[in-house]
Amino acid sequence: NAGVMQNPRHLVRRRGQEARLRCSPMKGHSHVYWYRQLPEEGLKFMVYLQKENIIDESGMPKERFSAEFPKEGPSILRIQQVVRGDSAAYFCASSLREGSGSGEQFFGPGTRLTVL
Amino acid sequence: QQQVKQSPQSLIVQKGGISIINCAYENTAFDYFPWYQQFPGKGPALLIAIRPDVSEKKEGRFTISFNKSAKQFSLHIMDSQPGDSATYFCAAHPNFNKFYFGSGTKLNVKP
Repeated sequence: NAGVMQNPRHLVRRRGQEARLRCSPMKGHSHVYWYRQLPEEGLKFMVYLQKENIIDESGMPKERFSAEFPKEGPSILRIQQVVRGDSAAYFCASSLREGSGSGEQFFGPGTRLTVL
Repeated sequence: QQQVKQSPQSLIVQKGGISIINCAYENTAFDYFPWYQQFPGKGPALLIAIRPDVSEKKEGRFTISFNKSAKQFSLHIMDSQPGDSATYFCAAHPNFNKFYFGSGTKLNVKP
């Protein structure tokens, strides 16, 4: 039973390029969350999605960042025109439907983005 | 404003000792309090979690103590081992929504 998959694991981009991060949730999970972690810091919530819907994007910068979770395929976190301050580890988590079980979020291994 | 405050930032414990990490929260709507363990280069992994209707939960060497009136909860690692050396995050959330994470505690267990 595969866990949450993220790719790529490492991504290097030059300033001004686009970064595209992918997340495949655990089988049966329809809720996806994206978090950002700066070095030596905790995880900061960015966005919460269900299939084809953005439920909460209160933690995501208004410009350059977007996220989607299509009916088919992985969730995508897209960062346009990257800047050095975007360098961080981006983690995706998934959970089973709301109201069931513990609400536990299972995390992927993360994508480490480096902006040169 | 930080929703969940965690301390200490770092902790050094001798092998066999007790590691204690504390968290405090403000939002009374929080109803699920997990602790995550993160090794370098890895994603956080759930260690143990508690709901506010109990004051303590124990799983092996790991115990959560929960004080609802004080809005505090803590993680106790008994008989700490070098393999426990990692960063620990407390978290809280209301209604299975987004998690609010503490800033993390870097634990180093000396052999």
